[in-house]
Amino acid sequence: EIVMTQSPATLSVSPGDRATLSCRASQSVNRKLAWYQGKPGQAPRLLIYAASTRATGIPARFSGSGSGTEFTLTISGLQSEDFAVYYCQQYNNWPPTYTFGQGTKLEIK
Amino acid sequence: QVTLTESGPALVRPTQTLTLTCSVSGFFLTTSALCVGWIRQPPGKALEWLALIDWNGDKYYSTSLKTRLTISRDTSKNQVVLTMTNVDPVDTATYYCGRIVNCPLWTFDIYGQGTMVTVSS
Repeated sequence: EIVMTQSPATLSVSPGDRATLSCRASQSVNRKLAWYQGKPGQAPRLLIYAASTRATGIPARFSGSGSGTEFTLTISGLQSEDFAVYYCQQYNNWPPTYTFGQGTKLEIK
Repeated sequence: QVTLTESGPALVRPTQTLTLTCSVSGFFLTTSALCVGWIRQPPGKALEWLALIDWNGDKYYSTSLKTRLTISRDTSKNQVVLTMTNVDPVDTATYYCGRIVNCPLWTFDIYGQGTMVTVSS
């Protein structure tokens, strides 16, 4: 099973600043990497797929990069609604063995 | 408008079988390259993928849970059903169903709001 490791576990950033979240895969997932935003009581929201493609309706302040085993989600100009938990997920294999990272909590500094 | 809505019991006793239903609208389960699957999130923990059914009705399961899971569909009702046998308190979680378009090249693009299930005696 591919293990996804996110860092840091918690990130404190001020509104208006930039947040950089990391995700590492235990083996190459090529660019089959997605980022989701999670908020209490809400469904996970797809932000990024294929490592760097923004999902429909996602603001340009969200960007993704990376390939292979190292990936980054960058959120520029943080807004109040961006403070949430972020998960990475790999979908490289078929038959599927989707795995998620443990999440990074983005909190207000 | 695409929606997925999960339903099922809020409380299940240990050793019982849990049955969850995902009702979808705005798309059809038999659409080419479309998959529907389930994930869960225990309180305070990470997301975990459980099972997937594709447009042909082929089924895929998490390795760690495959002996306890069954995914099925009713195309006439546009529903996907997940059953989990022999539940345990560690199965307490919010369960989500989600859709994958352009399956298997892409991943889940939309989930339902989830249904919270507590396993307790």
